[in-house]
This record gives sequence, C-alpha cells and structure tokens, in this order.
Amino acid sequence: GESVGLHLPTLSVQEGDNSIINCAYSNSASDYFIWYKQESGKGPQFIIDIRSNMDKRQGQRVTVLLNKTVKHLSLQIAATQPGDSAVYFCAERFSGGYNKLIFGAGTRLAVHP
Amino acid sequence: ETGVTQTPRHLVMGMTNKKSLKCEQHLGHNAMYWYKQSAKKPLELMFVYSLEERVENNSVPSRFSPECPNSSHLFLHLHTLQPEDSALYLCASSQVGSSGANVLTFGAGSRLTVL
Repeated sequence: GESVGLHLPTLSVQEGDNSIINCAYSNSASDYFIWYKQESGKGPQFIIDIRSNMDKRQGQRVTVLLNKTVKHLSLQIAATQPGDSAVYFCAERFSGGYNKLIFGAGTRLAVHP
Repeated sequence: ETGVTQTPRHLVMGMTNKKSLKCEQHLGHNAMYWYKQSAKKPLELMFVYSLEERVENNSVPSRFSPECPNSSHLFLHLHTLQPEDSALYLCASSQVGSSGANVLTFGAGSRLTVL
C-alpha cells in the first residue's frame, strides 16, 4: 500500500485500550468539524462530525468532543482494534456557500496486539 | 467503493510532459474539490467547483489547470510540473445547498511523481 509519507505525531495503543486523538483548530468562526480516517493507499474516510452548537457527539465506538473555549477537538475510540490503525485528521469548515474544509496535520494511530 | 473514482492511481511524468488527472463522482453531488497531500504539508485545498463554477483557487500555480465539464467530472491538467509537485492528489465531492452540514467524500487519490 501507499504511505502518505507525513512526519506525523504517532499514538501507540494496545488492542482493546481506548484511544484519544486531539486536534486544535484555528478559526473561532468555524461552524462544523469532521474527523476523517485515512488508511494506507486510500483516501480519507468520514468517521464522525459535530456542529459548533454541540459539545459532544457519539457514534459507534467513537465519540467527538468539542471545546470551543480553547478551540480543541478530540476523537475518542473505544476498544481500539488493529483495523483502527490509520492516520486521523480533523477538519474545520469555514463558513461560506460551499464546504471549504481546512484539515489539520493528522495523527498516526498504531494499534499493537 | 467510495463513489468517487480517480484515474490514474499512479502517474510518473517528466517535467516537460502534459498529463491529466480525472475524477468522477457517482453520488449526485453538486460540488467537487481537488486537494494536494504531500510529505511536507497536510491536506491542502487547491480548487473548488460548485455547480460547475470555480469558486476557489487557493493560490495554485498556473501549471495546474482544473476543468469541470459537468457536475460529475473533474479534471486536473498538469503541464511543466516541478519535482516538488510530487504528491497524492485527492478529489472529493459534496452536496452543498441542502439543509445541514455536508460531508466531503474522497476518492482514493492519484499518486503523482515528477522526475
């Protein structure tokens, strides 16, 4: 498979543990945030999103927390599995007539058996 | 299958070549995007087409020329590229104008190497 070759911060976790991936965003006017997962050789895939009027949203095994005071976003993955190994990106949407998403640098999650 | 198909998946070209990247979306979306993903920077927005009209050109050099002939197809024409243009080029689509926030759906990307 391909590697995107980024020199990313890496989070290493044991299989079955919970993972927390953090992201700082830049624009206090951003109204929408998304987490994407990118596996080797693939494009980014949507995981979960949250609007700026919420502070928490849960999906299947994933939870996103939004702290607008400090412009911080986190993704929590419960019971991390080997298939969760990937690069995770947060993105913020700048207001406008189309979806202008600005992405963070990404965090590599490595899950060890 | 993501619903966004990019071809070719891999492309090697010399600096004097002319080539094109193609993107096709089967999701009925009305906006399409080109992003660049390189080793040195995170995902960078290059171009946005909304309703087939270019609405964003994010200071991209003129050696990259986008074309959106209809809402399902997007091209990136490449001419006289530099080695630093080597990267993964990602196409995405979304549906703007409907209620609620909209998610970008990405293709698998075209890995470009400029020699």
